[in-house]
Amino acid sequence: EIVLTQSPGTLSLSPGDRATLSCRASQGVSATYFAWYQQKPGQAPRLLIYAASSRATGIPDRFSGSGSGTDFTLTISRLEPEDFAVYYCQQFGRSSTFGQGTKVEIK
Amino acid sequence: QIQLVQSGAEVKKPGASVKVSCKVFGYSLTELSMHWVRQAPGKGLEWMGGFDPENGEKIYAQHLQGRLSTTEDTSTDTAFMELSSLTSEDTAIYYCAPWGYAFDIWGQGTLVTVSS
Repeated sequence: EIVLTQSPGTLSLSPGDRATLSCRASQGVSATYFAWYQQKPGQAPRLLIYAASSRATGIPDRFSGSGSGTDFTLTISRLEPEDFAVYYCQQFGRSSTFGQGTKVEIK
Repeated sequence: QIQLVQSGAEVKKPGASVKVSCKVFGYSLTELSMHWVRQAPGKGLEWMGGFDPENGEKIYAQHLQGRLSTTEDTSTDTAFMELSSLTSEDTAIYYCAPWGYAFDIWGQGTLVTVSS
């Protein structure tokens, strides 16, 4: 099973700051099947990025994804108040796994 | 526009089984590869399993094999997730989500509580 390790566990930032979230895989994964999700309390996850770098429908361009192989990054260029949430990475190969999540909290 | 509507909350005793449904509106279930994801209270997302369209088989998380079964009733466009031999560690919100290039649509979630 491929393990995804997200860092940091918690990111304390202010609105307007840049957020950089990392996801490292225990072995190489296909960028085609790599995604990022946002989840707020009491809500289902929302797809942000698919295929490592493509924004899902309706996702603002302040969200961007990059990476390949074992290292992937989600960047939020300027944090808006609604961006404070938990973010998960996911890979889908022969099976699927999620990272443990990064919480972006207000500093 | 695809909409997924899941069945209501369940309370089960340890050792029992639970079956959660996910009805698809606005699309045919035959054209979807339905998967299931769960989230224990205060914890992260855990992929459980679903249909892999590339090889036409069901694939399940290794630690759930033998306890998890996913089925589909195409006549009613309803997908089902059944988990057996429940323990308190199975207490979670269970989500259905069809796989395309990612999970871009999710059901509203079904809370399953396992308690004696």
